[in-house]
Amino acid sequence: SQKIEQNSEALNIQEGKTATLTCNYTNYSPAYLQWYRQDPGRGPVFLLLIRENEKEKRKERLKVTFDTTLKQSLFHITASQPADSATYLCALVGDYKLSFGAGTTVTVRA
Amino acid sequence: NAGVTQTPKFQVLKTGQSMTLQCAQDMNHNSMYWYRQDPGMGLRLIYYSASEGTTDKGEVPNGYNVSRLNKREFSLRLESAAPSQTSVYFCASSEVTGQGQADTQYFGPGTRLTVL
Repeated sequence: SQKIEQNSEALNIQEGKTATLTCNYTNYSPAYLQWYRQDPGRGPVFLLLIRENEKEKRKERLKVTFDTTLKQSLFHITASQPADSATYLCALVGDYKLSFGAGTTVTVRA
Repeated sequence: NAGVTQTPKFQVLKTGQSMTLQCAQDMNHNSMYWYRQDPGMGLRLIYYSASEGTTDKGEVPNGYNVSRLNKREFSLRLESAAPSQTSVYFCASSEVTGQGQADTQYFGPGTRLTVL
């Protein structure tokens, strides 16, 4: 069966450090993968999209990698700030639909 | 430009009651979706509508019905609510620009539903 797995435990990091989140998937062949941010009590908000032929994508302090051989995406938040504290979801795309991972909660300590 | 709006924000139902969750988007998107989000399980797709006039089942459709009223509006109905349907419900929309691909999804603020 298809499965998407993200870091099962919450991530607590010191301000200024880099947070690295993983998204592993099985039995998918996604053309691309997306990352979303979700704050408590709110809907997810799109952050980044990376295509299968792209190894890396950057947006400001965010960096995403996509390894279709390993079936894994890594999401990095560099120079983290307390405002980056949120839950981050990866999503795989196919047939007009997204399938989401359960998310990883990141807390950045000042 | 409100994006995706949902009503109500909160709702408490008794087992067996029915209700309709409303969703509207003002971005002229073709596709709309209903998800539920439960702790530790992530977002699960209930139903989606790839375009006006079509609806399809997602991963967890049992106990729900949908109506794509027009291009803007997509409603979710619980005919006979059960405690297992206690969840947070999100509506989303997207503009599908590629064949068989779902583009960026824009989510509403959610409806927090409790079934007693």
